[in-house]
Amino acid sequence: EEQLVESGGGLIQPGGSLRVSCVASGFTFDFYAMNWVRQAPGKGLEWVSSITGSGSGTYYSDSVKGRFTISRDISKNTLYLQMNSLRAEDTAIYYCARRGNYKGGSFDIWGQGTRVAVAS
Amino acid sequence: IQLSQSPSFLSASVGDRVTITCRASQDISSNLAWYQQDRGRPPKLLIYAASTLQSGVPSRFSGRGSGTEFTLTISSLQPEDFATYYCQQVNSYPLTFGQGTRLEI
Repeated sequence: EEQLVESGGGLIQPGGSLRVSCVASGFTFDFYAMNWVRQAPGKGLEWVSSITGSGSGTYYSDSVKGRFTISRDISKNTLYLQMNSLRAEDTAIYYCARRGNYKGGSFDIWGQGTRVAVAS
Repeated sequence: IQLSQSPSFLSASVGDRVTITCRASQDISSNLAWYQQDRGRPPKLLIYAASTLQSGVPSRFSGRGSGTEFTLTISSLQPEDFATYYCQQVNSYPLTFGQGTRLEI
């Protein structure tokens, strides 16, 4: 079964750092671009970042550019999001999602999400 | 690219036919996806490339459109369809989602 499982969320103070992870299973990890999408409490979906299959290309939303870094370890089938200089507005559920090949670029597999709360 | 969904809220009954519209601020060809999200659950892909049904999604869901105007139609609402729906453009970075349409009984 194709699956994504996130971990690493938690409560962090403003200005702090946190790294969330997403372990992929059931498919060839480096064949797919991967993404992070977040959802603040009671709000809609917000695309955060994407990385190409090889890891050579990365993309960020303006709201996180310069603070967050996406990366992947193909040997561990793991996607990461390093979050620095965290702000209250970064509080959200963070989902990792696979960008499906031959699916028009849509996100066809999603993890269950990991909660990040930024508060003092 | 900004996406504007309408309506934001939709009240309907089992068996109704409903349509949700998504408008893009510029031409995105057919590079649009639709997702369904139940409360407390991750989103689920329904339709990609504007009109292609994802495997396993019931045929009562359909998508149309290209360019800047797109629609998601549910032909006969079932109890499990009451959820929030999002469109997403995958034409260019930054990728963006519509603000969502909450479909309520």
